[in-house]
Amino acid sequence: NAGVTQTPKFQVLKTGQSMTLQCAQDMNHEYMSWYRQDPGMGLRLIHYSVGAGITDQGEVPNGYNVSRSTTEDFPLRLLSAAPSQTSVYFCASSYSVPSGRVFFGEGSRLTVL
Amino acid sequence: AQTVTQSQPEMSVQEAETVTLSCTYDTSESDYYLFWYKQPPSRQMILVIRQEAYKQQNATENRFSVNFQKAAKSFSLKISDSQLGDAAMYFCAYRSRNTGNQFYFGTGTSLTVIP
Repeated sequence: NAGVTQTPKFQVLKTGQSMTLQCAQDMNHEYMSWYRQDPGMGLRLIHYSVGAGITDQGEVPNGYNVSRSTTEDFPLRLLSAAPSQTSVYFCASSYSVPSGRVFFGEGSRLTVL
Repeated sequence: AQTVTQSQPEMSVQEAETVTLSCTYDTSESDYYLFWYKQPPSRQMILVIRQEAYKQQNATENRFSVNFQKAAKSFSLKISDSQLGDAAMYFCAYRSRNTGNQFYFGTGTSLTVIP
């Protein structure tokens, strides 16, 4: 059981470049989400999805796109990277039941120069 | 929107002693869930303990327990018999039972365990 798998774990980009952070889960969870973690600010929600074909914005969505074509995958796209997007990114998944345990990926450290 | 506040950026405890991490939250809802997550240097987010707001009994998990004061909107974590492996960043989090999807995290408390 792999849980939540994020790739890559580390990435360095130049301003204006694009990239995709991959997230996959094998637990048949309906709910998936992306967070960013910055020093002194905890984790903030970027985008989330409650099922295939359904996505919605979180607290800090600007500069990021997502799609959910399958239950398993929830990629996060940066179309034109900016230094302000330097952060650690976490993907998370759970059943939609609110009390359901949330599983986090190991995080992806992104640096934008 | 709900807010979660952790007023202690850093805490330290002697090995084998007890430490309490504070968390307060603001919500107009009556039914929700509260969590404590641990993040060691490996960055992995690990669930420590969970409390359901409609339950009056405080949750416990081995050496970890909470003091849930619903009226005061307070949710502190007590770690007993602290171990070196407890050293980590600890995040308090809120999740609505109604919407169910979004977590609101505090800014974290960095716990150091002194041998």
